[in-house]
Amino acid sequence: DGGITQSPKYLFRKEGQNVTLSCEQNLNHDAMYWYRQDPGQGLRLIYYSQIVNDFQKGDIAEGYSVSREKKESFPLTVTSAQKNPTAFYLCASSGRLVYNEQFFGPGTRLTVL
Amino acid sequence: AQSVTQLGSHVSVSEGALVLLRCNYSSSVPPYLFWYVQYPNQGLQLLLKYTSAATLVKGINGFEAEFKKSETSFHLTKPSAHMSDAAEYFCAVSYGGSTLGRLYFGRGTQLTVWP
Repeated sequence: DGGITQSPKYLFRKEGQNVTLSCEQNLNHDAMYWYRQDPGQGLRLIYYSQIVNDFQKGDIAEGYSVSREKKESFPLTVTSAQKNPTAFYLCASSGRLVYNEQFFGPGTRLTVL
Repeated sequence: AQSVTQLGSHVSVSEGALVLLRCNYSSSVPPYLFWYVQYPNQGLQLLLKYTSAATLVKGINGFEAEFKKSETSFHLTKPSAHMSDAAEYFCAVSYGGSTLGRLYFGRGTQLTVWP
């Protein structure tokens, strides 16, 4: 089955530790995205990549980093510089045409203790 | 600036009643519009999208939306609510140019369906 996988589903970390969230897709999509979701705030874009080895900051990139070494993979690292990292993180992918919808993974809930 | 406004963060309806979720966009260029649904602790699922082929768009689960350029709106409707429709709904807009591929999301509307 084609789709997007995110692992793990739930993640707990101590304050001050970096943590990497996995996102893999087998839809052959060029573009991939990371969103953060907090109650009542909708989805906010962290980073996005339209092609391998290239990515752009979204609206809330501070304290996060990404890489795009393979078309299928777009991992997100939440660094210790992110002041409030506890949130639900969603990964998505799409084709590169403006009317292409984004397909979402199941999400990772990160809790920093 | 591009933006999407969803009027009403919470909407409650009785089972069998009309569902109306409102979405307005601000744009100086023709947009592409999307409605997504999210069930608790899950990712988003596409309900329908407007890509300028037809102003009335039919989606999954009996939902539909009408693009009204004069009102800059793309409201989501369903004639008869079902308990399984209870979820959070997001309106999103996409443009071309330098923002190609990006989706701008509204803050979401939580739909509650009463028996």
